[in-house]
Amino acid sequence: GAVVSQHPSWVICKSGTSVKIECRSLDFQATTMFWYRQFPKQSLMLMATSNEGSKATYEQGVEKDKFLINHASLTLSTLTVTSAHPEDSSFYICSAFDGTGENPETYEQYFGPGTRLTVT
Amino acid sequence: GQNIDQPTEMTATEGAIVQINCTYQTSGFNGLFWYQQHAGEAPTFLSYNVLDGLEEKGRFSSFLSRSKGYSYLLLKELQMKDSASYLCAVVDSNYQLIWGAGTKLIIKP
Repeated sequence: GAVVSQHPSWVICKSGTSVKIECRSLDFQATTMFWYRQFPKQSLMLMATSNEGSKATYEQGVEKDKFLINHASLTLSTLTVTSAHPEDSSFYICSAFDGTGENPETYEQYFGPGTRLTVT
Repeated sequence: GQNIDQPTEMTATEGAIVQINCTYQTSGFNGLFWYQQHAGEAPTFLSYNVLDGLEEKGRFSSFLSRSKGYSYLLLKELQMKDSASYLCAVVDSNYQLIWGAGTKLIIKP
């Protein structure tokens, strides 16, 4: 199956600093990538949908100025957590698919391994 | 609104069979996915159903009834490594993926 990588796997940062997380599709072109956040013992929460070459669509309650998303190419999307605070500590997961809307089965999302962010 | 319901937690015995149910109410339907997620890891794909009926894949099977808005994931010959959360997700009419909260499956020896 398709492979999605994420970097870094884990990061510890101090409160007030910014952290960038990269998501790459390694063997396919991803027109759309998704960013999720998952708190302990909870399900995935979609933060935003990132489309190559256009602005990301953020879910209600997600601050777009705090979570900056850039999808500059068909294989790379980045999430930058700006001015991170301890409450931003979470497991951040990206996923990608190359679905066109014509074949829903292609909407299988390929997940990256996740990035565990700890803000001290 | 859109809603997907799954039991929060289930417990089963090693070697047994368990069925995890998922009911959904979404604006349109373009298929249903089941994913497995081990603690601290990203989800991995298990199955996809878009037509009514049972899809079998090894120890895992997935069933769909579109008229009832219902699916289940059946796990046979349970192994300890099957302890994980199982996520049900539906593709709606806008081709958006709507996620259930997941079912945590605990396997006991």
